[in-house]
Amino acid sequence: GAGVSQSPSNKVTEKGKDVELRCDPISGHTALYWYRQSLGQGLEFLIYFQGNSAPDKSGLPSDRFSAERTGGSVSTLTIQRTQQEDSAVYLCASSLDGSRNSPLHFGNGTRLTVT
Amino acid sequence: SQQGEEDPQALSIQEGENATMNCSYKTSINNLQWYRQNSGRGLVHLILIRSNEREKHSGRLRVTLDTSKKSSSLLITASRAADTASYFCAPGTGGFKTIFGAGTRLFVKA
Repeated sequence: GAGVSQSPSNKVTEKGKDVELRCDPISGHTALYWYRQSLGQGLEFLIYFQGNSAPDKSGLPSDRFSAERTGGSVSTLTIQRTQQEDSAVYLCASSLDGSRNSPLHFGNGTRLTVT
Repeated sequence: SQQGEEDPQALSIQEGENATMNCSYKTSINNLQWYRQNSGRGLVHLILIRSNEREKHSGRLRVTLDTSKKSSSLLITASRAADTASYFCAPGTGGFKTIFGAGTRLFVKA
């Protein structure tokens, strides 16, 4: 079946603009994750959804970042008033049920460049 | 969940050689996962080893786990240029949050 799909694959935006990043998880996966990866770095956990609920939003860097998930499927990560330090690759992953033995399946990410 | 620390940060070997990467962690775990990331792509799950297992194989991959030393190793045998990637470990402590370290960047020279 289809894997995790993210769009757009690349986004260039001007400082101060808002951006929306989209993630389509694998069908039937109830858990969804957002991570951020700066160039040559590891992954920074942002937020986790179980169904449509986000039990842990502590990883969101600031109140300019928000995320939602509707219908237990598609998720959108929104960054308002983008700053240059927001430039990174934003990765989405889903897992079957979010349990400890359930591996994560990643999309190929959205590369965000803020000029 | 906790973050694992991969070592070395970077590794360069010739095709055909074996590559060994290590992961250390701090507290008790239920399992430990290894992932690979090719340049410009998302992470791909390689293997999961449970806390009551000491060794696990998958093709050319061999993972060991030493819970007394709180460490794991990933061995890639007979490496190929296509194995060039970053490798991440993720210790699992039962929570939903999977945390990744900075990874080991492996370069396999043809």
